Amino acid sequence: DADVTQTPRNRITKTGKRIMLECSQTKGHDRMYWYRQDPGLGLQLIYYSFDVKDINKGEISDGYSVSRQAQAKFSLSLESAIPNQTALYFCATSVLQAGGLFRRANVLTFGAGSRLTVL
Amino acid sequence: QKEVEQNSGPLSVPEGAIASLNCTYSDRGSQSFFWYRQYSGKSPELIMFIYSNGDKEDGRFTAQLNKASQYVSLLIRDSQPSDSATYLCAPSTDSWGKLQFGAGTQVVVTP
Repeated sequence: DADVTQTPRNRITKTGKRIMLECSQTKGHDRMYWYRQDPGLGLQLIYYSFDVKDINKGEISDGYSVSRQAQAKFSLSLESAIPNQTALYFCATSVLQAGGLFRRANVLTFGAGSRLTVL
Repeated sequence: QKEVEQNSGPLSVPEGAIASLNCTYSDRGSQSFFWYRQYSGKSPELIMFIYSNGDKEDGRFTAQLNKASQYVSLLIRDSQPSDSATYLCAPSTDSWGKLQFGAGTQVVVTP
């Protein structure tokens, strides 16, 4: 089983509908993220959470909300979907990994992605 | 101006040759620099990270960092068709580890 599981993997919906993308992880990581990927734009951070009680907005949070139901679960919601939210969405977890003497790096592990199409 | 610049490619590389990928960044507070590989339709996966000026080698991959020039590169030696993918550069500040991703460079290794 995947360490970071996203559901659904593909979703087609209509403008104005509410959509929830779910993410669960078995890695035991405290940090979880939601990213959006559009062609030519790279990955953009929507929201991130360092633990169940800590939720933070990323670069492009407008039109999105999140819920951290447990350490292992982080959901992304689109309250009223619009066509320009059509994109590939990735959930990720992270852990600080030793990078050498006194150094640690925040290493991300991504889920397989959820492709959302809003008509 | 984008915060992280990468040549979008595609970069065409003969099998067995060296692929050289470049990345420039604008945030001088960046401390760690990550390279991720992303196959078409798949999720990004970590190749390696570097935080000190100079070179860091991991198998066929070498990351090079020059903080004064705000430049990081990735070399892929003995390129294989399986290296055909998009490579994402992601600088990070150490305050909480936020990564800023570039749009990626597409590499195509031709047999």
